[in-house]
Amino acid sequence: SQQGEEDPQALSIQEGENATMNCSYKTSINNLQWYRQNSGRGLVHLILIRSNEREKHSGRLRVTLDTSKKSSSLLITASRAADTASYFCATDASSNYKLTFGKGTLLTVNP
Amino acid sequence: DAGVIQSPRHEVTEMGQEVTLRCKPISGHDYLFWYRQTMMRGLELLIYFNNNVPIDDSGMPEDRFSAKMPNASFSTLKIQPSEPRDSAVYFCASSLGGQRTQYFGPGTRLLVL
Repeated sequence: SQQGEEDPQALSIQEGENATMNCSYKTSINNLQWYRQNSGRGLVHLILIRSNEREKHSGRLRVTLDTSKKSSSLLITASRAADTASYFCATDASSNYKLTFGKGTLLTVNP
Repeated sequence: DAGVIQSPRHEVTEMGQEVTLRCKPISGHDYLFWYRQTMMRGLELLIYFNNNVPIDDSGMPEDRFSAKMPNASFSTLKIQPSEPRDSAVYFCASSLGGQRTQYFGPGTRLLVL
């Protein structure tokens, strides 16, 4: 079964608005990562947050992690049409470099 | 750096045929992962290698699937015989041990008729 589950499955917003996506997982983790996938392309790593971190920023991205609730959120501020993509969380729960991906949130940013 | 290279990008074949997908990881990366992505099941890890050695193949669906990594710069995923339910996008990814981040190739879109 999937370790990470994203919510919502789909999100449609206007350019300039903020987009928030959530990820819940089931077991203890070493770190949690967010990836983006544009239509027809491979996944691209966005940000990694370690289990001992609560918040991390990278440009317009803000990631939070609550290990007590086993959840994470990805916030994209001031969204652009180019942010239209699927966003996946991936959990790293072992010592062997395996990642388990959720099914993703499809974000559509309308110009 | 050229990134992870996969070939072919698209493959259409008939049921029963052998399919071979190829991957060249980023130079210097010592981990290589094969994934399959479908609408129904999402992104599934099939197998991964460390220093050319298969570490975990528990995600390989059945004996029709096999993967090899003869050297640090090349890996293949073979399906023999192929079936329509194997239709999916197959991704190869590589990473550098200790960094945990994976770098994905563009994928091979496989259609089995």
